[in-house]
Parts: sequence; structure tokens; C-alpha cells
Amino acid sequence: EVQLVASGGGLVKPGGSLRLSCAASGFIFSGYSMNWLRQTPEKGLEWVSSISLRGDYISYSDSVKGRFTTSRDNAKKSLSLQMNSLRGEDTAVYFCAREGADMGTSDYWGQGILVTVSS
Amino acid sequence: DIQMTQSPSTLSASVGDRVTITCRASQSIASWLAWFQQKPGKAPKLLIHKASTLQSGVPSRFSGSASGTEFTLTISSLQPDDFATYFCQQYSGSWTFGQGTKVEIK
Repeated sequence: EVQLVASGGGLVKPGGSLRLSCAASGFIFSGYSMNWLRQTPEKGLEWVSSISLRGDYISYSDSVKGRFTTSRDNAKKSLSLQMNSLRGEDTAVYFCAREGADMGTSDYWGQGILVTVSS
Repeated sequence: DIQMTQSPSTLSASVGDRVTITCRASQSIASWLAWFQQKPGKAPKLLIHKASTLQSGVPSRFSGSASGTEFTLTISSLQPDDFATYFCQQYSGSWTFGQGTKVEIK
């Protein structure tokens, strides 16, 4: 069974940093691109970042570019999102998601983790 | 970015009803359109990709269709487990999502 379990969320002050992790199991992690997405009631679902199978191609949304860094460790079957210079508008539930093979979109999502940026 | 306009935002229906949700893309996305179902506090679940391809394990009462830049999700006979929020997503460019349709019990 495919499982994606996110951790590392919480409350952080504006300007602070937080690191999210996503532990994968039930599939060959190194065989799939991975994504981070986030969701708020106001803005809905928003794609944040994607990383290729080997981590040699990473892309970011304009809203997080230069502040967030995505990485992966295929040996540990783990995906990470380092979030720096956090702003109130980064407050959201963050999801890690697997990109389906030859699909172009995500076929499995993790359970979501809340990040709150507030003083 | 490609904008996805989804309607309606809320839909009241009864078990057994035929339900239709629509998404319109701001430009051509070919068939790069997916539909997701989300229940409160849960992750989105992929229902349909490539506009009309049913994801493995998804009941056949769900179907998708496309006409130009307009895409439709149809539930042929609404079941109790189907009361949820539905989102469309385009993946022709950087992924963007519709605002969602909440399907409520009438």
C-alpha cells in the first residue's frame, strides 16, 4: 500500500524557518517524481514544488521561489521541504504527493500537515 | 498561469441523483485535466486523469469528458460515500486547480 507520511509542521513566527519531511513506503520511491502542494480555505489548492526522480530537476512556484528548497533522499525514501523567510501567506496545510508514472499528475497524496506562520 | 474556473461551488443532491460538475480552462490544455475527491481532513483522491481515464479502483459511476476547454465530471448515481468536495486540476503547464465543488446532501 502506498503511504506518504508528512511531519515537521507547526507554528512559526514570520521570518522563521521550518523543515517538512515526507516518509514514503509501499512503492519504489526512486522511480517517481514527487511534489509538494498546499491548501488554504481562501486560495484553495496550490502547487508548491516538484522534484524529479534523481533530484536533478527541481521547480518551484513563483510564490515560494528563493525561499523554499525541495530535496529528496532516495536511499531513505524521504522527501523534504526546507521553508525559510516564512510569511503569513505561507500558512496552509501542506501535502506531499507522488506523481504517477507516465501520468503527469499526482496519484497519491499524503495526509497533509499544518504550517501556521504567526507572531 | 492557466486559470481553472469550476462550477458550481456548491451542489445539493440526493442519493441516486445524476451530478455534473464543470471546469473551464483559460486556454487550451488538451486533455491534461484531472479530477480529485476530497473529504474533510483528508488528502485529495485521484478519480480521473487525462480528462476521461478512470483511475484504478474508482467506481464506474464516475466519468469525465471534455469539449475544447470545458471539462465535465459526472457521477451517474450519487452514493452516500460521494458527498465530498471535488476539484479539477490542469497539468498542461504548472499545475493549477479549480476552487472546488462541495456536494452536499439535499
